[in-house]
Amino acid sequence: AQTVTQSQPEMSVQEAETVTLSCTYDTSENNYYLFWYKQPPSRQMILVIRQEAYKQQNATENRFSVNFQKAAKSFSLKISDSQLGDTAMYFCAYNAGNMLTFGGGTRLMVKP
Amino acid sequence: DAGITQSPRHKVTETGTPVTLRCHQTENHRYMYWYRQDPGHGLRLIHYSYGVKDTDKGEVSDGYSVSRSKTEDFLLTLESATSSQTSVYFCAISEAGQSSYNEQFFGPGTRLTVL
Repeated sequence: AQTVTQSQPEMSVQEAETVTLSCTYDTSENNYYLFWYKQPPSRQMILVIRQEAYKQQNATENRFSVNFQKAAKSFSLKISDSQLGDTAMYFCAYNAGNMLTFGGGTRLMVKP
Repeated sequence: DAGITQSPRHKVTETGTPVTLRCHQTENHRYMYWYRQDPGHGLRLIHYSYGVKDTDKGEVSDGYSVSRSKTEDFLLTLESATSSQTSVYFCAISEAGQSSYNEQFFGPGTRLTVL
């Protein structure tokens, strides 16, 4: 079974600074997809960014970018110019078949 | 926002009673999923459906059953609720299966407490 590990239960960052959230996964598959979801206090799950494993180029969405290291099975999320609205739980997720597997989450607090 | 509603949004029940949670979508998406969210575990898949009357088990299916008689509705039933099933339950939908690149859209969640 695939596993997804987020080793940082909680993080904090000052507004306007940059923060990186870590994610590692275990798989024997060669083709798969990786996602970062954001869950603000409203509890709504929001897709932040996604990456296809066969694409070497790292995905970028505005202030959010990933560092995808396939050989190391690492998929970190970088948030630039952090904003107060980025305060949320962040979940890394892996998909190679019929199951979307989530990590345990990282709680990010952006401080003014 | 994707048209997904869950009912009820909150429920408190007693051990041993049956509970049914409903997920309703207006997007006509083929795939529907039920997850539970617990501290430290992220979201874990309970069951999913890939069409009307077509369902399959997820990672944590024991103690749960599902039914889908219409494209728009996906029901999750706890036949005899236990305290270990206290959780937040999320429904999700997608146009294609989880094996695709397509985004999953999540409902607002249902907080279930089993006393």
